[in-house]
Amino acid sequence: RKEVEQDPGPFNVPEGATVAFNCTYSNSASQSFFWYRQDCRKEPKLLMSVYSSGNEDGRFTAQLNRASQYISLLIRDSKLSDSATYLCVVNMDTGRRALTFGSGTRLQVQP
Amino acid sequence: SQTIHQWPATLVQPVGSPLSLECTVEGTSNPNLYWYRQAAGRGLQLLFYSVGIGQISSEVPQNLSASRPQDRQFILSSKKLLLSDSGFYLCAWTLGPHNEQFFGPGTRLTVL
Repeated sequence: RKEVEQDPGPFNVPEGATVAFNCTYSNSASQSFFWYRQDCRKEPKLLMSVYSSGNEDGRFTAQLNRASQYISLLIRDSKLSDSATYLCVVNMDTGRRALTFGSGTRLQVQP
Repeated sequence: SQTIHQWPATLVQPVGSPLSLECTVEGTSNPNLYWYRQAAGRGLQLLFYSVGIGQISSEVPQNLSASRPQDRQFILSSKKLLLSDSGFYLCAWTLGPHNEQFFGPGTRLTVL
């Protein structure tokens, strides 16, 4: 089982749609969680941090369910500019002082 | 504010040639530094991380090495490149308690 697992997609949605991505993680002792956005041939950029039960930033909402070991990202009113790959990232606090990245979910917003 | 630089941006090298990629961070002191590789269509693979000058931890055995000669400089090297070394190399830094990482623009390496 992968340490951080995501549906690779692609998710093809029309502009204005609401889309949700889920991610599961294997280590129940994981401490913090993030969503990164990666555009084609670019570096990943931090989109949101998820520290407790969840948080909201404009059209983006991240939720954490520790009991089921998954996190989700909800995007409302999708824009063409939201097209990208969304990486689920977990700090498993294993002493490596490094994050564990999912392989990403690709989103394509269509006009 | 903090910024992170990587160079070169792109590189095409023959098999068996040496490699040196450089990463520098500005605007912070004593960051944790990381080297990742992303193969085409794949996730990020952690290669090395460093918590201070001269302190390097290797995550996977391979023909790459890393060095941290200065607090804000991280170098990735190889004596002889393999075809499988092709990929997108990303340097990242972190300082916060929750380990949010921030990436440089990356180096796209093609080994022919």
